[in-house]
Amino acid sequence: EIVLTQSPATLSLSPGERATLSCRASQSVSYFLAWYQQKPGQAPRLLIYDASNRATGIPARFSGSGSGTDFTLTISSLEPEDFAVYYCQQRSNSFTFGPGTTVDFK
Amino acid sequence: QVQLQESGPGLVKPSQTLSLTCTVSGGSISSGGYFWSWIRQLPGKNLEYIGYISNSGNTFYNPSLKSRVTISVDTSKNQLSLKLTSMTAADTAVYYCAREARGIDVWGQGTTVTVSS
Repeated sequence: EIVLTQSPATLSLSPGERATLSCRASQSVSYFLAWYQQKPGQAPRLLIYDASNRATGIPARFSGSGSGTDFTLTISSLEPEDFAVYYCQQRSNSFTFGPGTTVDFK
Repeated sequence: QVQLQESGPGLVKPSQTLSLTCTVSGGSISSGGYFWSWIRQLPGKNLEYIGYISNSGNTFYNPSLKSRVTISVDTSKNQLSLKLTSMTAADTAVYYCAREARGIDVWGQGTTVTVSS
């Protein structure tokens, strides 16, 4: 099973700051990696698919990069509604999710 | 736009079988190019993929759950279903149905299932 590790576990930032979230796979997943945002009481929402493609309706401040085993989700300038939990997910070999990174208010 | 709605019991006794249904509206479950999936979120917030069925009827199950899981589709009702046998407390979770192509782009709101006697 491919294990995904996300870092940091918690990122404390202020609105307007840049957020950089990392996802590392235990073996190569090529570009088959997605990012999701989840707010309390809601289902996850797809942000990025295939490592770097924004999903429909996702603002341009969200971007994804990486391939193989190392991936990054960047939020260029945090808006108040961006404070949430972010998960990565691979579909290269079976399907697994990372444990999540919480972006909270500093 | 496609919407998904899970339904089923909120409480299941240990050793029983969980049966959940997901009703698809705003589109056909027979549409090509999609996997129809079940995912659960455990109390510690970890997300776990249960499995999927494609529009051609191919299924994939998480190896850790494979012996207990059945996912099926009723195209006449536009519904997806999940059966999970031999439930234990470790199966307590929020269960989501979802649509997947190159990412899980449509999710149901989720239904909480508690396993307790």
